[in-house]
This record gives sequence, C-alpha cells and structure tokens, in this order.
Amino acid sequence: AQKVTQAQTEISVVEKEDVTLDCVYETRDTTYYLFWYKQPPSGELVFLIRRNSFDEQNEISGRYSWNFQKSTSSFNFTITASQVVDSAVYFCALSESYGGSQGNLIFGKGTKLSVKP
Amino acid sequence: SQTIHQWPATLVQPVGSPLSLECTVEGTSNPNLYWYRQAAGRGLQLLFYSIGIGQISSEVPQNLSASRPQDRQFILSSKKLLLSDSGFYLCAWSVRSGASWGNNEQFFGPGTRLTVL
Repeated sequence: AQKVTQAQTEISVVEKEDVTLDCVYETRDTTYYLFWYKQPPSGELVFLIRRNSFDEQNEISGRYSWNFQKSTSSFNFTITASQVVDSAVYFCALSESYGGSQGNLIFGKGTKLSVKP
Repeated sequence: SQTIHQWPATLVQPVGSPLSLECTVEGTSNPNLYWYRQAAGRGLQLLFYSIGIGQISSEVPQNLSASRPQDRQFILSSKKLLLSDSGFYLCAWSVRSGASWGNNEQFFGPGTRLTVL
C-alpha cells in the first residue's frame, strides 16, 4: 500500500539556521513520483518539486535542496539559511505512475516549520 | 499562464443545509480535476477526481458529490451538510498525459474554508 510518513510534526528554528524536513514513503510500484508542496498561512498549496523514481540525483534550487535515496525510501528536503518567509506547513506526496486514481497524490500529514527572527 | 479559482473563500453553514463550491481553471484544456479536503490538523484527503466532462470518480464514500458540467469547471455539492464536513476544501488540476497519470504535478487553488455549525 502507498504511504507517506513525515515524522516531524513541528519544527522551530531561528532565522539563518539550516533545517531538514524528513519524508519516508512506501510503494510497491517501480515507477512512481515524489513531490513537495508548501502551504503558507494563506492555505494555498504551492508546488515545489517533482522527482521520478528513476532519477536519484539530488536537486538544488536556491536555498532549497532535495535528497532522494531509494535505498532508504526517503525524499528529504533541506532549507539552507532559513528565513521567516519559509514558515509554512510542508507536505511530501507520492504518486504512482499507473494508479487507478489518475495520479492521485498520497500526502504525508505535513511538517509545520516555524522560522523565528 | 494557467490559473485556478475557487469560491467562496470562506463559508459558514448550518448543519443540514446544502453546499455548492465551485472551481474553475483558466489557460488549459482537458485538465484532470481534483477535490481534496484538509481537516484541521490533518493531511489532505482526495475526495473526487475527474478526467473529463461528466466523468467523476469518488475516492471516499460520504454525503458529498461532485460534477463537471464544463471542461474547466468542477463543482462540489452536498444536499445536507454534517458537522464532520467542516474543513478546508482544495481544488487542483493537472495536465492529462496519456496512459501515465502520476507524473504530472497538481496545481492547487486558494481553497474554501467551510465551517458547519
């Protein structure tokens, strides 16, 4: 069965600290896709990144970086030099390639990140 | 560019009253459309998805229903609201791409916050 676990419910850091948000997933498929979304206080989910199961290269986008490791079924997200504007709930999600629900996203329960000045 | 609209932004309804939430997408054709619900303190749960006009699939049995009267319009309805229907309702769209459904990220609307009293 598909499952996404974000063990960290809440994280609080001081501005300029680095922070890593953990994501562990379960799937039986060999082809699948992983996503990260950001939900600021306004509520709208903002798409951050998509990775497919065949591409284990880490990715960096500005202060954001993602570490995908199939061996541990993890897709962790690191924010370097955090800023107050990074405060949000972050969701990790999984989608299987040929799932019956037309690409249904299975979400983790989210990690609430608070960055204090 | 594509945009997705939802209204109303907030809604307070008494138990037993009807519900109609609307979602429209601009700037794309033949999208997959989705309704999610986010209950307080919990992750997102897929309620309905649609791959075309009049084609609706339900993921969770409940007193809600969905309709897609036009290609880029998705409506969530209820004849009689329950207290448990309170939550944050998010509409999303994704590009429809052949047989593999899971590889496209979903883009979310601003959401509707529903309180049932």
